[in-house]
Amino acid sequence: AQSVTQLDSQVPVFEEAPVELRCNYSSSVSVYLFWYVQYPNQGLQLLLKYLSGSTLVKGINGFEAEFNKSQTSFHLRKPSVHISDTAEYFCAVTAPQAGKSTFGDGTTLTVKP
Amino acid sequence: EPEVTQTPSHQVTQMGQEVILRCVPISNHLYFYWYRQILGQKVEFLVSFYNNEISEKSEIFDDQFSVERPDGSNFTLKIRSTKLEDSAMYFCASNQDQEYGYTFGSGTRLTVV
Repeated sequence: AQSVTQLDSQVPVFEEAPVELRCNYSSSVSVYLFWYVQYPNQGLQLLLKYLSGSTLVKGINGFEAEFNKSQTSFHLRKPSVHISDTAEYFCAVTAPQAGKSTFGDGTTLTVKP
Repeated sequence: EPEVTQTPSHQVTQMGQEVILRCVPISNHLYFYWYRQILGQKVEFLVSFYNNEISEKSEIFDDQFSVERPDGSNFTLKIRSTKLEDSAMYFCASNQDQEYGYTFGSGTRLTVV
C-alpha cells in the first residue's frame, strides 16, 4: 500500500516569488510520482510526472519537481509564480501495474499581488 | 487536445434515488477510472475498468455502485440508492497506461438531499 503526505495545506506567496510545495510518500515498492493542479470548478490536470531516470523533471506552466529516493520526497517548485497559479495542487503515487493512484490531501497555493 | 467529457456537471437527487453519471473517455485510452472528492477532503479512488471489466475497486465501491461501458464511447457510474454521504464531486479519468498519468474530466457535482 502507498500513502502520500503533503506537508502544507495552504501556501500563501506573493507574485513573482519562488514557491515550493512539499510532498512525501511511503511505499514498499517503486512508484510513479505525479503532480496535478486543480483550478476552481475544474478537474485535475497533470502538471508533471516522474517514472525513472533523471530526478529533476519539468512540467507545464514552468513547474518542476525533484525526486529524492532517500528522503522519499517529490517536492514541486516554481522560481517565479503568477496570480494565475492560484489553485489546489495534488501529489499522487501509483505503483506500476496497479492502475489506481493514491492522492495527498492537497495544497492550496494562493498567489497575492 | 482530446478531453474526457462528463455529464451532467451538477446533479441534485433525493436520498434513495438512483443516479447515473456519464463519462466519455478519450477514444484511444484503454483504462478508465472513477474517483470522488468530498468537499474539503482528498481525492479517493472508487474503481478502475479495463478490457470491459472491473480491474480494481475500493472499499467505498460497495454493492450500491456499478460501472458499465455500454458502447464503444461511454463509461457510466451508477449509484442504486443514494445516501446523503454520497454527496461529492465525481471525476472520471482515463489513460493509455499507468505511466501516463490520468486525463480527468471536469467532474459531476452530486448533491443528495
